[in-house]
Amino acid sequence: DVKVTQSSRYLVKRTGEKVFLECVQDMDHENMFWYRQDPGLGLRLIYFSYDVKMKEKGDIPEGYSVSREKKERFSLILESASTNQTSMYLCASSLGVGRTGEFDQPQHFGDGTRLSIL
Amino acid sequence: AQTVTQSQPEMSVQEAETVTLSCTYDTSENNYYLFWYKQPPSRQMILVIRQEAYKQQNATENRFSVNFQKAAKSFSLKISDSQLGDTAMYFCAFRNNYGQNFVFGPGTRLSVLP
Repeated sequence: DVKVTQSSRYLVKRTGEKVFLECVQDMDHENMFWYRQDPGLGLRLIYFSYDVKMKEKGDIPEGYSVSREKKERFSLILESASTNQTSMYLCASSLGVGRTGEFDQPQHFGDGTRLSIL
Repeated sequence: AQTVTQSQPEMSVQEAETVTLSCTYDTSENNYYLFWYKQPPSRQMILVIRQEAYKQQNATENRFSVNFQKAAKSFSLKISDSQLGDTAMYFCAFRNNYGQNFVFGPGTRLSVLP
C-alpha cells in the first residue's frame, strides 16, 4: 500500500514564524501535492510538483512556498505565518501520467496536519 | 476553469438504508475523470470510486455506485446498505486529461445513524 507520511498531526506556531510542513511518500510517485482544507471550501490546491525540483502554483499559493529536492519528499513552507493560515493541510501523491499513460490514477493522501497560528 | 459543486453540506441516513450524494461539475472538456473520496473523522482520505467520462457504464465498487450523467454534468454517489463506518466527509473530484492536478468540491458530511 502507498504510504504518505506527514511529519506532524498537530502543530501550533506564532504569527511571523517560518513554518515547515514535511511530507514523504514511499511509492516512487512522480506527483506530489499540498492542499489546504477548510470547512465549506473543500480542498484547495496550494502547490504541486511533478518532478524533483519542479513546482507549479495551485489556486492559493500566496504566502506559501515549496521545496522538492528528492523525489519522495515535498515540503510546504509558510514564509511568515499569519492567523489566516490556520487550517488543515493535506499532502498527496500520485503516479505521473508519463509513467502510466493514464489520467485516472488517484491521489493518495497523508493523515493531514492541523496547523494553528496564534 | 473547472468547478465542482456539492449542494448538500450535510446528510444523514439510517443504518442499512440507501443514500445518494450529489455532485455537479462544470467543464468544456469532452474527456475527463471523476472521483469520489471519503474522509472518515480524524482519518486519512481514501478513494471510493472513479469514473472515466467516455465510459458509458456507471462504475460500481461493492456497495458504492455512481450515476454519471454526462450531458447534465452530474456525478452522484449511491451508498447501499449504509454502515456506521460510512460516516465521513465525501468529496467529489474532477481531473481533466491533460493536467496533473484535481479540482475538489466542498464536501458532504454524511452521518450514518444506528
